[in-house]
Amino acid sequence: EDQVTQSPEALRLQEGESSSLNCSYTVSGLRGLFWYRQDPGKGPEFLFTLYSAGEEKEKERLKATLTKKESFLHITAPKPEDSATYLCAVQGPNDYKLSFGAGTTVTVRA
Amino acid sequence: GAVVSQHPSWVICKSGTSVKIECRSLDFQATTMFWYRQFPKQSLMLMATSNEGSKATYEQGVEKDKFLINHASLTLSTLTVTSAHPEDSSFYICSASTAGNTIYFGEGSWLTVV
Repeated sequence: EDQVTQSPEALRLQEGESSSLNCSYTVSGLRGLFWYRQDPGKGPEFLFTLYSAGEEKEKERLKATLTKKESFLHITAPKPEDSATYLCAVQGPNDYKLSFGAGTTVTVRA
Repeated sequence: GAVVSQHPSWVICKSGTSVKIECRSLDFQATTMFWYRQFPKQSLMLMATSNEGSKATYEQGVEKDKFLINHASLTLSTLTVTSAHPEDSSFYICSASTAGNTIYFGEGSWLTVV
């Protein structure tokens, strides 16, 4: 069974204070690792998909990296509008469904 | 970018009645859609995988006769909660997969059963 563990559970940052979120995973053949941002009461917003170890993707202040066992989401010089819950999910080889981690709730103070 | 739309955004229904939630992919065709349920401060729990033109595949523990899923076209899947009870109150979210394996989510539907 696919397993996804995210840490920390919550992260409080000062505006401009860079940090990283961790997503450790166990899957029998990774098809893809997905990162989403979710604001309270809304559906997840797609950020990145990573497919192979060593791959990196960037979008504004966010950068996602992937190894064979974990993925990191780096937030550089965060702003208050980056406050959200960040979800990591893995997709196995046999179907297209996603298994989600519990998420990391990021709060950025001005 | 691709957009997935859900309707209604929120619904209140009486216990014992049925309620239907629609999920549409607005600018792409989705052969596969997914339905999730999310409780407060918890992550998404997959309920079922919906494939266009065939029966949905339900996750273990999800009652298929209670949560009816229909995927009649490449842009529309529906979830019907039958004989709803207060414990069915939740946030229901759908997602759709593009041909390039990018999976987009809808805005979610809040169901309250009174």
